[in-house]
Amino acid sequence: EIVMTQSPATLSVSPGERATLSCRASQSVSSKLAWYQQKPGQAPRLLIYGASTRATGIPARFSGSGSGTDFTLTISSLQSEDFAVYFCQQYSDWPLGTFGLGTKVEIK
Amino acid sequence: QLQLQESGPGLVKASETLSLICTVSGDFISAGTYYWAWIRQPPGKGLEWIGSMCHGVATFYNPSLRSRVTISVDLSRNHLSLQLTSVTDMDTAVYYCARHSRLNSGNNWFDPWGQGTLVTVSS
Repeated sequence: EIVMTQSPATLSVSPGERATLSCRASQSVSSKLAWYQQKPGQAPRLLIYGASTRATGIPARFSGSGSGTDFTLTISSLQSEDFAVYFCQQYSDWPLGTFGLGTKVEIK
Repeated sequence: QLQLQESGPGLVKASETLSLICTVSGDFISAGTYYWAWIRQPPGKGLEWIGSMCHGVATFYNPSLRSRVTISVDLSRNHLSLQLTSVTDMDTAVYYCARHSRLNSGNNWFDPWGQGTLVTVSS
């Protein structure tokens, strides 16, 4: 099983600032990496797939990068609605997609 | 617009069977073009894939749950079902259904998701 490790566990950021979230895979997943956003009491929402492609309707302030084992999700200028938990998921190891434990982005 | 909605008992007794339904609207499970998945999230914890099925093609389960899980479909109602036997408190979680991979695409992310339903296992 491919283990996904996210850091930091919590990120405190002021509105308007940049947030950088990391995700590391225990072995190479190529670019088969997705990012999800989850707000309290809501289902996860797909943000990014293929490591860097924004899903339909996702604002351009969200960007993903990386390949192999190291990936980054960047939120260029945090808006109030962006404070949430973010999960990464590898889908290289079909069908056993595994998730990281998440990074909580909170208001500083 | 594709929508998924989970339903089922919110409380299950330990050692019994958890049964949930996912109602799909806006697409047809019978088309056999996508895998449909169940995923769970224990309170305050991360996400765990339970299993996925594509009608007429295949069903896959997480090895950690395989001995206790069955995913099936009711085509007449466009429902996806989940059964998990011999539950313990470790099975307390929010259970989500989601559309998984398009057949043979390699696009194995989950989108969209249902709102989820909390199932608590009581002793």
